[in-house]
Amino acid sequence: SSILTQPPSVSVAPGETATITCGEDKIGRKSVHWYQQKTGQAPVLVVYDDRDRPSGIPERFSGSNYGNTATLTISRVDAGDEADYYCQVCEDGGRQWVFGGGTKLTVL
Amino acid sequence: QLQLQESGPGLVKPSDTLSLTCTVSGDSISNSDSHWGWVRQPPGKGLEWIATIYHTGTTYYNASLKSRVALSVDASKGQFSLKLISVTAADTAVYYCGRHRFSINTFFVDYWGPGYLLTVSS
Repeated sequence: SSILTQPPSVSVAPGETATITCGEDKIGRKSVHWYQQKTGQAPVLVVYDDRDRPSGIPERFSGSNYGNTATLTISRVDAGDEADYYCQVCEDGGRQWVFGGGTKLTVL
Repeated sequence: QLQLQESGPGLVKPSDTLSLTCTVSGDSISNSDSHWGWVRQPPGKGLEWIATIYHTGTTYYNASLKSRVALSVDASKGQFSLKLISVTAADTAVYYCGRHRFSINTFFVDYWGPGYLLTVSS
């Protein structure tokens, strides 16, 4: 089954752009979804199907997926974006799910 | 607005059966666009998908848990439930129920319950 590789941590200054990656061989052939989880809270879907945003998610959150790497980009980062971010894919036509290990985003 | 709420015993003894229920409001469990399911998170660790169910009873289980897990739906009550048998301390986690949306060959969770901490301990 898939193993999705995420960096354990990413740090960025306020106002800068954060880039969080999710790697797997040929991940570009799958749909990737991203979740934000703040401390003590349930996860929140921020990007689905590689690049679509649910209603209510700011345009600052964007996604891409090509080759062996999917990327979540958060522009104009602020303190409210500090959270753990998880990528997720499905295999076998949706019958098996895999989550990445998560990336802790720190706003300096 | 769709809302989900987990409920259960809170504490389960090793080797016992874990039972959790998710109550859905603001949407019908029988909605043809919606699947429902569970994701868990051990303390301090990442997310793990457990299973997904459609109101017709079609289920998908995590291969690593399949021998111990069962999902069921009670559409009349607007609830779906998780049973996990032969629990160990490794099953201690926050359990999240959610709406699992199907897209082309994939699922994602677009609504999450607040989470329910279940502890396995004697």
